[in-house]
Amino acid sequence: EPEVTQTPSHQVTQMGQEVILRCVPISNHLYFYWYRQILGQKVEFLVSFYNNEISEKSEIFDDQFSVERPDGSNFTLKIRSTKLEDSAMYFCASREGVADEQFFGPGTRLTVL
Amino acid sequence: AQSVTQPDIHITVSEGASLELRCNYSYGATPYLFWYVQSPGQGLQLLLKYFSGDTLVQGIKGFEAEFKRSQSSFNLRKPSVHWSDAAEYFCAVGAQAAGNKLTFGGGTRVLVKP
Repeated sequence: EPEVTQTPSHQVTQMGQEVILRCVPISNHLYFYWYRQILGQKVEFLVSFYNNEISEKSEIFDDQFSVERPDGSNFTLKIRSTKLEDSAMYFCASREGVADEQFFGPGTRLTVL
Repeated sequence: AQSVTQPDIHITVSEGASLELRCNYSYGATPYLFWYVQSPGQGLQLLLKYFSGDTLVQGIKGFEAEFKRSQSSFNLRKPSVHWSDAAEYFCAVGAQAAGNKLTFGGGTRVLVKP
């Protein structure tokens, strides 16, 4: 069964460093998402991406964040200068069409020291 | 703005007993509704979804949920819980629009007693 994959599973970084979280969505999916879950809190939407551009972003998704689909398979989330409060589990999701469910990857746990 | 409330943070249930998890949503039009399950250290797995049609939807692992528009609710049920059902359960609402972001509730952690 096709699945969304994410790498790395755990990333530890120093405050102020740049990190890139990688996702490989399901191959025929067209819509891509990033969410995050701070420990003990609810899952929060960050950004949606369709047709090579951002279709919606939350207030969390400020200038420190960017997304890219550099080739036909990868979907990346970059945090330019990490802060302590960026420590969270980051989930990538994808879906095939407008009326389909989102499939989530296993997540990347980001720890900022 | 869309929002989801899961009133129960923790529920403890005995194995073999029935389970009902509550979910209330706020959304201006007909929503897409979902239940996801998250086991410790794992990602989010879809249990079931409601888009339209029959308001009682069946999902995987023996779960079902009922959409009640008049109560803005989408409660999840399982007649007989297994120890492997111990996990955190998230209700989510999605917009019927191209972006279709999901808004999640705070989650309900289910503990299963032997």
